[in-house]
Amino acid sequence: QQQVKQSPQSLIVQKGGISIINCAYENTAFDYFPWYQQFPGKGPALLIAIRPDVSEKKEGRFTISFNKSAKQFSLHIMDSQPGDSATYFCAASIFGNQFYFGTGTSLTVIP
Amino acid sequence: DVKVTQSSRYLVKRTGEKVFLECVQDMDHENMFWYRQDPGLGLRLIYFSYDVKMKEKGDIPEGYSVSREKKERFSLILESASTNQTSMYLCASSSPAQSANTEAFFGQGTRLTVV
Repeated sequence: QQQVKQSPQSLIVQKGGISIINCAYENTAFDYFPWYQQFPGKGPALLIAIRPDVSEKKEGRFTISFNKSAKQFSLHIMDSQPGDSATYFCAASIFGNQFYFGTGTSLTVIP
Repeated sequence: DVKVTQSSRYLVKRTGEKVFLECVQDMDHENMFWYRQDPGLGLRLIYFSYDVKMKEKGDIPEGYSVSREKKERFSLILESASTNQTSMYLCASSSPAQSANTEAFFGQGTRLTVV
């Protein structure tokens, strides 16, 4: 059973456009929601994370929107660049002791 | 610079072999994890460990075992490798939530092929 559901599986965006990836969860005990970015041949690396006491977090071109009542959160990449082409994973954690990952979204930003 | 290091980037093993995947972290993290990554399935947790000599099964532990004799080292063992264990294996570590940073740090991955 997938604890965190992620969509879409793949995404193609024009350079300068907005990339949006969505995730949903069921377990209300989750208290930490990170997004990871993975380039080919590399391990995932933390991109941005949010805790459920805030509804939005922004770091540069990357924004997490969090809807606690709907148990959904999303990653928005503004002004998408070819260098953003990677696989993105959402995740949820309880006290940082166990991480549950979505199935990943392969993002391609075309020039 | 924090680091999680996996001993091999690529491995090719024969069916039935016993396979050891090694992972070392230099951040003094209590938690360590082994995931496998397959296309369309994301990262699935095999085993994790909260402390030395402690281990907990994840979602897909069948066919695997782990060992954590020292805090910095977490080994994944395939007792008798099978072709359906061909995958990318990722090791990660983290600190519990009492510390400021609950980020999971990943190694670069080991791509295992079982023939």
